Amino acid sequence: DAGITQSPRHKVTETGTPVTLRCHQTENHRYMYWYRQDPGHGLRLIHYSYGVKDTDKGEVSDGYSVSRSKTEDFLLTLESATSSQTSVYFCAINQGTSGRNEQFFGPGTRLTVL
Amino acid sequence: GESVGLHLPTLSVQEGDNSIINCAYSNSASDYFIWYKQESGKGPQFIIDIRSNMDKRQGQRVTVLLNKTVKHLSLQIAATQPGDSAVYFCAENPPGNTPLVFGKGTRLSVIA
Repeated sequence: DAGITQSPRHKVTETGTPVTLRCHQTENHRYMYWYRQDPGHGLRLIHYSYGVKDTDKGEVSDGYSVSRSKTEDFLLTLESATSSQTSVYFCAINQGTSGRNEQFFGPGTRLTVL
Repeated sequence: GESVGLHLPTLSVQEGDNSIINCAYSNSASDYFIWYKQESGKGPQFIIDIRSNMDKRQGQRVTVLLNKTVKHLSLQIAATQPGDSAVYFCAENPPGNTPLVFGKGTRLSVIA
């Protein structure tokens, strides 16, 4: 599992509340990613990080922010959750070497926004 | 478990038969490709990868074929087993330091 954990694994919240999802890795990888997965859309990149305090936007970053204050933790925050953010969220790390962008995924967090 | 894709193309195969899952990628300059398997309620799992300077790579019961001329990738699974039932995604690595781009996936259903 490449030492990736996500917390919480399941969360139900109400529209307008803030939500933070945590991704934790134990192997000191530089790159970390947050994706959401929805029926009909596959995996879509929200934000990614290429080092402590270094982050960039992905394809669907609106309504999300991230922080990476330590190598091992990458946090995804929904400042004010909306029903359209109901999804399964996956964190990934890049375990690739020699130019191989080999991403490994965490177990996912199922978020429901009522 | 979570429904990965209600609208995914589905491939149904008989147990013991070979499966071929196809993927079209978008960037002719992509230099590296990966196949992932995702079982219900779990995160995607790495299966096999291939660099753009190769056209075939074999693993245990799986083979990936790359046709750069038509930007096509396929995953062949030999002697398909019930445990192979899952959604399969391809991913391409565009040039530069950019994240992987994922296909939408194909659901493989193995009939016992």
